[in-house]
Amino acid sequence: EAGVAQSPRYKIIEKRQSVAFWCNPISGHATLYWYQQILGQGPKLLIQFQNNGVVDDSQLPKDRFSAERLKGVDSTLKIQPAKLEDSAVYLCASSLRGGSAGEQFFGPGTRLTVL
Amino acid sequence: TQLLEQSPQFLSIQEGENLTVYCNSSSVFSSLQWYRQEPGEGPVLLVTVVTGGEVKKLKRLTFQFGDARKDSSLHITAAQPGDTGLYLCAGDSGGYNKLIFGAGTRLAVHP
Repeated sequence: EAGVAQSPRYKIIEKRQSVAFWCNPISGHATLYWYQQILGQGPKLLIQFQNNGVVDDSQLPKDRFSAERLKGVDSTLKIQPAKLEDSAVYLCASSLRGGSAGEQFFGPGTRLTVL
Repeated sequence: TQLLEQSPQFLSIQEGENLTVYCNSSSVFSSLQWYRQEPGEGPVLLVTVVTGGEVKKLKRLTFQFGDARKDSSLHITAAQPGDTGLYLCAGDSGGYNKLIFGAGTRLAVHP
């Protein structure tokens, strides 16, 4: 079974530029998550989708971050414009459903460096 | 704001030693998960505990969920170099699988 795919794996941009990340979850997984993991910290949930609807985006900085999950499968996360403090690994995860104690399967992440 | 505090932050031991890492909070969680993350990869689930006082064993790893469902521990017996990694605990407070992660314990096991 293929895992969660993410691209690109690495991205270096200058501040105020835009960047987009792509995620393809495990086939059949209804729930998709985007996390931000800053060096030395645990992952922080940015947004959670159930199919193509947003369940939780309370920690998404909506003035610069946006995410969509068209057709309830692939998802993209965009940052515009980027700031230095956005340097982090962006992890995508999926689960079969959003219920309690469900296993989340993580992709390898995209490491973003903002100069 | 719900927080999970993990200790120690770093642990460097020799192969064959035993160790325990802790995950503490003032909040109650409906379930708690432990993940291991290796460099350049995403976290991988090790175990989920849901009942206060629950103990689960996974080969040389023993996980315990506190009676009040506010804390957890991970004990590794006879650590091996393959156990090296970042151990993360994550709590689900709302029952919708919205996870709050601790900062992790970075373990290095030397041959």
